[in-house]
Amino acid sequence: EAQVTQNPRYLITVTGKKLTVTCSQNMNHEYMSWYRQDPGLGLRQIYYSMNVEVTDKGDVPEGYKVSRKEKRNFPLILESPSPNQTSLYFCASSRLPYQGTGELFFGEGSRLTVL
Amino acid sequence: AQKITQTQPGMFVQEKEAVTLDCTYDTSDPSYGLFWYKQPSSGEMIFLIYQGSYDQQNATEGRYSLNFQKARKSANLVISASQLGDSAMYFCAMRLNAGNMLTFGGGTRLMVKP
Repeated sequence: EAQVTQNPRYLITVTGKKLTVTCSQNMNHEYMSWYRQDPGLGLRQIYYSMNVEVTDKGDVPEGYKVSRKEKRNFPLILESPSPNQTSLYFCASSRLPYQGTGELFFGEGSRLTVL
Repeated sequence: AQKITQTQPGMFVQEKEAVTLDCTYDTSDPSYGLFWYKQPSSGEMIFLIYQGSYDQQNATEGRYSLNFQKARKSANLVISASQLGDSAMYFCAMRLNAGNMLTFGGGTRLMVKP
């Protein structure tokens, strides 16, 4: 089954404690991206990657890091989480736009609370 | 930079009636794609429909259709014969074919009344 898998789905942590949210896709997609969703703001892009070892900032990259060492994996790293990073996070993947519609396939979301 | 605007934060519709969710976009790039996603209360993002900027006909997928008016830069979602299961948040999004980002609107919460 084609899917994007993120873990953990739910996490409560404390300010300053490093955490990683993993993301893996099995569709051989070149493009992967992280979004955060906050009430009234829709989804805002944090980072994206066009291919292995190629990453770039989205709209709200501050406080986050990513890496793309393998095509299927795109972890999101919060080195020193703060309460304003409490949010619902989505990982997504797609083919590149010129390869088709560029429709994004989303993971189920990871709800993060930083105390 | 591209921008997506959804002006209806919330809407009610009677079951079995049709409803239109508004979406306007802003870009100077001629080549782009427009998307609608549904987010039920369980939280997952479900792809509904896609419209390419060069597509001559409006996209349709079952009960969903996209009313694409390129000159007005609007891409409204029409849901026919609403069902209780259509109650959800709906997001309009745009992606430039030469770009790397899918930009989302703020969403519209649709509530279907029995």
